[in-house]
Amino acid sequence: GENVEQHPSTLSVQEGDSAVIKCTYSDSASNYFPWYKQELGKRPQLIIDIRSNVGEKKDQRIAVTLNKTAKHFSLHITETQPEDSAVYFCAASITGTYKYIFGTGTRLKVLA
Amino acid sequence: GAGVSQSPSNKVTEKGKDVELRCDPISGHTALYWYRQRLGQGLEFLIYFQGNSAPDKSGLPSDRFSAERTGESVSTLTIQRTQQEDSAVYLCASSPPGTGFVGEKLFFGSGTQLSVL
Repeated sequence: GENVEQHPSTLSVQEGDSAVIKCTYSDSASNYFPWYKQELGKRPQLIIDIRSNVGEKKDQRIAVTLNKTAKHFSLHITETQPEDSAVYFCAASITGTYKYIFGTGTRLKVLA
Repeated sequence: GAGVSQSPSNKVTEKGKDVELRCDPISGHTALYWYRQRLGQGLEFLIYFQGNSAPDKSGLPSDRFSAERTGESVSTLTIQRTQQEDSAVYLCASSPPGTGFVGEKLFFGSGTQLSVL
């Protein structure tokens, strides 16, 4: 079946440093890749997404890159701040459906 | 309403009892999803509804789980004969109709924390 792998499961960085989270997907026809941030006790919220017709997308301190050939995509957070501490989930759409498969999550801790 | 609404926010039940969880999606959103999130785990797909199409039930873990949705409105997730391993947060999400690309932003509810004693 369809699968999304996410690494690392936990990540600690110093404030101001960059953080990178990587995901790989199995369905070569997946065409939509969102990233969700879930703060402790709160609902997941979309922070950035990318569609298969582009290779990179930026929004201020966050960016996502997509390599369709290798079937992987990454989240990059620059100049990290304590409020970036959360669990981040990647996801991939399943071809021909509105179904999404999520990665297992990365717990990011930004140390002040 | 402003967002996806789920009720109850917390549910404590005894093993073997049935529970029903409710989700009110954002008006106009054709797709509705149920996910399960065990403590410290990722989001496990359960079921999704898309308009009047047959639901995709491929993620339901057993026949004790079922869900219904009336048109493009409220959905209920029912768990019969609950077991302790059913304890988790059950998240509902909805998304608007696609605009050419399959894939749209999911709007999540706050979830129902289910505890089975």
